[in-house]
Amino acid sequence: DAGVIQSPRHEVTEMGQEVTLRCKPISGHNSLFWYRQTMMRGLELLIYFNNNVPIDDSGMPEDRFSAKMPNASFSTLKIQPSEPRDSAVYFCASSLELTGFSYEQYFGPGTRLTVT
Amino acid sequence: RKEVEQDPGPFNVPEGATVAFNCTYSNSASQSFFWYRQDCRKEPKLLMSVYSSGNEDGRFTAQLNRASQYISLLIRDSKLSDSATYLCVVTLNDYKLSFGAGTTVTVRA
Repeated sequence: DAGVIQSPRHEVTEMGQEVTLRCKPISGHNSLFWYRQTMMRGLELLIYFNNNVPIDDSGMPEDRFSAKMPNASFSTLKIQPSEPRDSAVYFCASSLELTGFSYEQYFGPGTRLTVT
Repeated sequence: RKEVEQDPGPFNVPEGATVAFNCTYSNSASQSFFWYRQDCRKEPKLLMSVYSSGNEDGRFTAQLNRASQYISLLIRDSKLSDSATYLCVVTLNDYKLSFGAGTTVTVRA
């Protein structure tokens, strides 16, 4: 079975450019998460979608970050304009969530973003 | 204060040894507890859930002490393939995972 798919796997861009990260969750999962991992701050939840609706975006750093989930099989995380401090590994994860119970979160391979 | 704190290590142990490490969490209302494993430059993967009564999964034993708010992981008969970073994870609700910074374990031949 295909796991969570992310693209691109690596992205190098210059400061000020727009960056779009993509995620395809596991088929049948109804919850999707975007995380950011850095050495300094570890793994942080950026935004959580349930049934394609953003439920918790309290982790989104600032207005330069936006995320969408137009359908159950696709999500994007956009940074515009990008800054060097956005350099990190961005993980997408998905899970099956039923009323009152959440199953394991499965992580994608991540996108390693470098902003110069 | 961080929600989840871990000794970063590294713990360098020979093959066959036992290694154990803890993490502490700050919120007494935390509901669920997990250990995730992350290999170098890879994604985190669930290793095991942690239950109040303690639980084993093969060579791995996890313990939870709610009174002292700490979680432990013990690895018996270490294998080279156990070399990884182990992330302590705590949840406050159904979906929000709080990750520790990780404990690095290196098993040497």
